[in-house]
Amino acid sequence: QKEVEQDPGPLSVPEGAIVSLNCTYSNSAFQYFMWYRQYSRKGPELLMYTYSSGNKEDGRFTAQVDKSSKYISLFIRDSQPSDSATYLCACRGASGGYNKLIFGAGTRLAVHP
Amino acid sequence: EAGVVQSPRYKIIEKKQPVAFWCNPISGHNTLYWYLQNLGQGPELLIRYENEEAVDDSQLPKDRFSAERLKGVDSTLKIQPAELGDSAVYLCASSLTGGALNEQFFGPGTRLTVL
Repeated sequence: QKEVEQDPGPLSVPEGAIVSLNCTYSNSAFQYFMWYRQYSRKGPELLMYTYSSGNKEDGRFTAQVDKSSKYISLFIRDSQPSDSATYLCACRGASGGYNKLIFGAGTRLAVHP
Repeated sequence: EAGVVQSPRYKIIEKKQPVAFWCNPISGHNTLYWYLQNLGQGPELLIRYENEEAVDDSQLPKDRFSAERLKGVDSTLKIQPAELGDSAVYLCASSLTGGALNEQFFGPGTRLTVL
């Protein structure tokens, strides 16, 4: 079993829809939770960053972390065709062997006009 | 500001041949990472450098993979000999330091195909 599980999709939605992307993780040592966006033939770029449990909002994007259930989510409001990409969740501990990013497999999202 | 630069962008080789990838991190970034990304998977860390020192190479297959960052700036990742299963994208990333609060910036990757 992987430490970070993510449904690979693909997910196809119409423009303007609300998108929900999710990951689960197994290691309680993880304290930092990130969402990266990766366009085709590009490297990942950081979208959202959350420490411990809670919500964080940035424009159309909202990240949620529930450490009690080891569940992390990314919501995209008013989705746009330019949001079409692969979304990777990542977890990280604070020290020792977990002081590195552990990525999920990524979810491919397609937003069609 | 220039981002992380990687070359070549694409490489096709036959199995058992050697191959090398080059990375130039963002200026001033002390920490450099090499990741492996297989098709349909997330990146997996191969090695992390703090300046010239490799501080985490536990996932680097040392029988065929090697890396160096001699002057604490740019870095080279080498595979010798390459195997069919090495076909993947090799990503380089850099950050100011290795702390969890420091954002990692990724390069575009080198896509390796081993025939």
